[in-house]
Amino acid sequence: KNEVEQSPQNLTAQEGEFITINCSYSVGISALHWLQQHPGGGIVSLFMLSSGKKKHGRLIATINIQEKHSSLHITASHPRDSAVYICAVPPMNNTDKLIFGTGTRLQVFP
Amino acid sequence: DAGVIQSPRHEVTEMGQEVTLRCKPISGHDYLFWYRQTMMRGLELLIYFNNNVPIDDSGMPEDRFSAKMPNASFSTLKIQPSEPRDSAVYFCASTVNQNTEAFFGQGTRLTVV
Repeated sequence: KNEVEQSPQNLTAQEGEFITINCSYSVGISALHWLQQHPGGGIVSLFMLSSGKKKHGRLIATINIQEKHSSLHITASHPRDSAVYICAVPPMNNTDKLIFGTGTRLQVFP
Repeated sequence: DAGVIQSPRHEVTEMGQEVTLRCKPISGHDYLFWYRQTMMRGLELLIYFNNNVPIDDSGMPEDRFSAKMPNASFSTLKIQPSEPRDSAVYFCASTVNQNTEAFFGQGTRLTVV
């Protein structure tokens, strides 16, 4: 079993739909990262959060440390949101490193 | 700052050749990471440096792989000799410290034929 699991692996949506991507992890952590990788390949950090909720534009990330679960929500999805979304955690025993989920491939159609 | 800069963006080489990938981290970032991304295994940490010192190279797959960071503004990842299974996208990332977000370079797509 991977230490970081994401679901779903693939997701398609119509423009305007509300999107939820989930991340569960089995290691103790102090924070969690959400990354976005566009078809061109570049990786961008979206959020780093250790509790509660963070919002940036149409993106919302939540985390429940006790349940070892985080969600990334996209409101009013748009074709330009099409990308791979990756959850990553630095384990408590080595907070310098990141363990990555396998990613969720999102395609938003107009 | 222009962000993390990697070169080359694409590299095609023949099996057995030496390959050198380069990375310039963001100025002031104390941590530098080298990752490899493949379809089969996703993103994997190869090695990381703190203040130019290699801290953990346990992810380096074989002795054919080596990495250096001669100064705070430059790092290299070398594969010698290269093999087709080394084909992947190699990312460099830097952070201020372990409690801050990581900034990734655009990656180097390596193809070994």
